[in-house]
Amino acid sequence: AQRVTQPEKLLSVFKGAPVELKCNYSYSGSPELFWYVQYSRQRLQLLLRHISRESIKGFTADLNKGETSFHLKKPFAQEEDSAMYYCALIASGGSYIPTFGRGTSLIVHP
Amino acid sequence: NAGVTQTPKFQVLKTGQSMTLQCAQDMNHNSMYWYRQDPGMGLRLIYYSASEGTTDKGEVPNGYNVSRLNKREFSLRLESAAPSQTSVYFCASSEDRGNTEAFFGQGTRLTVV
Repeated sequence: AQRVTQPEKLLSVFKGAPVELKCNYSYSGSPELFWYVQYSRQRLQLLLRHISRESIKGFTADLNKGETSFHLKKPFAQEEDSAMYYCALIASGGSYIPTFGRGTSLIVHP
Repeated sequence: NAGVTQTPKFQVLKTGQSMTLQCAQDMNHNSMYWYRQDPGMGLRLIYYSASEGTTDKGEVPNGYNVSRLNKREFSLRLESAAPSQTSVYFCASSEDRGNTEAFFGQGTRLTVV
């Protein structure tokens, strides 16, 4: 069975500092990986997916199959980035059910 | 676009009471899910439905039942609520293909006293 691990429950940084939210996974096949974000009192929404190789709101994430990681990075954090971030995995060729990590709360101080 | 709509947004139940959480999506998705969100535990899958008329257990199904009456709607029922079921519940839906995005409802904050 697949598993997603986000080792940090809370990450606190100052505005303008670099941010890295860690995500590690375990899955024997070829995974599909995503980052979702939940701003205060809002629903979860997709931030980015590994296959798109895109930068959204300044965030990027690279799939490292050797280290089984999909860390989320932003070079300069903004206060509006404060939110809950979830890493998610879909097992390719399976039932397409997203498996989520426990989430990391990012707080960006002014 | 409504997307995924959940009702109610808030609910307080007494231990032993029953209730049904409603979820509907207007994106013609086959797959629908119910998750619960607890501090430090992330999102855990309760039940899912791959198509109309089919349902399967997820990671934490005990104490819950679900119904997929049609393609749009997927309801979650608590037959006898317990304090351990105090949580935020999210319904979601997605297409049946790889690298697909899951769309979430706004959540139901349930408190069982």
